[in-house]
Amino acid sequence: TQLLEQSPQFLSIQEGENLTVYCNSSSVFSSLQWYRQEPGEGPVLLVTVVTGGEVKKLKRLTFQFGDARKDSSLHITAAQPGDTGLYLCAAPASYGKLTFGQGTILTVHP
Amino acid sequence: DAGVIQSPRHEVTEMGQEVTLRCKPISGHNSLFWYRQTMMRGLELLIYFNNNVPIDDSGMPEDRFSAKMPNASFSTLKIQPSEPRDSAVYFCASSLRQGGETQYFGPGTRLLVL
Repeated sequence: TQLLEQSPQFLSIQEGENLTVYCNSSSVFSSLQWYRQEPGEGPVLLVTVVTGGEVKKLKRLTFQFGDARKDSSLHITAAQPGDTGLYLCAAPASYGKLTFGQGTILTVHP
Repeated sequence: DAGVIQSPRHEVTEMGQEVTLRCKPISGHNSLFWYRQTMMRGLELLIYFNNNVPIDDSGMPEDRFSAKMPNASFSTLKIQPSEPRDSAVYFCASSLRQGGETQYFGPGTRLLVL
């Protein structure tokens, strides 16, 4: 079973602060996805990274795929209350499935 | 596009009762997934279908759980009999193809078994 370990599990910060969330594995992946889940809703895809070393930016969010394609990070600059939610990384698994990390619960206080 | 539709959004039932959760995937999507989410265990895949055929049901917890997909636009997840430990949020998701494609999640059904 391919495991994705996310850290930290919980993050509580003030508006305007920066933060980084990590997603690590001992397995090599062809691609990795990041989802955000807001309270009361289902997860929504933010980005997919496919190339080792790739960096993608989505406004204040920066996603990086490790050179060896075993890990990824999500960096948020100047966090806002609207960034509050559960952040999940996911990678392709057997039989066409996705395996998800346990998630990072982010709370941004005004 | 209406997105993935799930019903009901909330369900409260008593232990021993049958619960049926429903899902309508995005039109044209060939893969459908049922997940369960709890604080303790996170997001767990229960079963997934491709072209209406169950491909992997290894995540189904026990015989009390069953899932069907009679056609490309409808799937059900049934729990019979329900138990308090089944309380969770159940998500349905669909994707265009199998193989690590983007999954589009429904809003979930919040199930509470008393």
